[in-house]
Amino acid sequence: EAGVAQSPRYKIIEKRQSVAFWCNPISGHATLYWYQQILGQGPKLLIQFQNNGVVDDSQLPKDRFSAERLKGVDSTLKIQPAKLEDSAVYLCASSQGLDTQYFGPGTRLTVL
Amino acid sequence: AQSVTQLDSQVPVFEEAPVELRCNYSSSVSVYLFWYVQYPNQGLQLLLKYLSGSTLVESINGFEAEFNKSQTSFHLRKPSVHISDTAEYFCAVSVWDSNYQLIWGAGTKLIIKP
Repeated sequence: EAGVAQSPRYKIIEKRQSVAFWCNPISGHATLYWYQQILGQGPKLLIQFQNNGVVDDSQLPKDRFSAERLKGVDSTLKIQPAKLEDSAVYLCASSQGLDTQYFGPGTRLTVL
Repeated sequence: AQSVTQLDSQVPVFEEAPVELRCNYSSSVSVYLFWYVQYPNQGLQLLLKYLSGSTLVESINGFEAEFNKSQTSFHLRKPSVHISDTAEYFCAVSVWDSNYQLIWGAGTKLIIKP
């Protein structure tokens, strides 16, 4: 069974530029999550999708972050414009039910 | 509000020695409990989980954790660590709050000394 795929693995941009991350969840998993993990901290949930609907986006900075999950499969997370404090690893996870979340390798974003 | 506390940010231990990584949570409702491991430059991987039943759960690589409801703890243990266990370990609790949410601890870095 293929795992959660993410791309790119690394991205370096300058502040005020825009960036997009892509995630392909495990086949059949209805729930998809985007997390932000700052160095030395646990993951912070940004947004949760159930199929193509948003379940929770309470911690998503909506003035600069956006996410979509068209057709209930792949998802993209966008930051526009990026700030220095957005430097982090962005993790995508998926789950079939209410328990185990399976994570992708993450995208390490550096904002200069 | 629900919270998960991992008391130790780093735990150094000699190879082949036992180790315990501590996790406490605050919740008055039923929870699911997880330990995830993150190896350097990799994503998070599920190590073990407690959903119901036996309070002692084990992983395939020798780790075990015990759910203690009275102490609201889910400590992770291994009787003999290897250099390959070097990683960061995260405790997480799944609780219902209008939606099932995973509440994460800050993580504990396990440092194996040769």
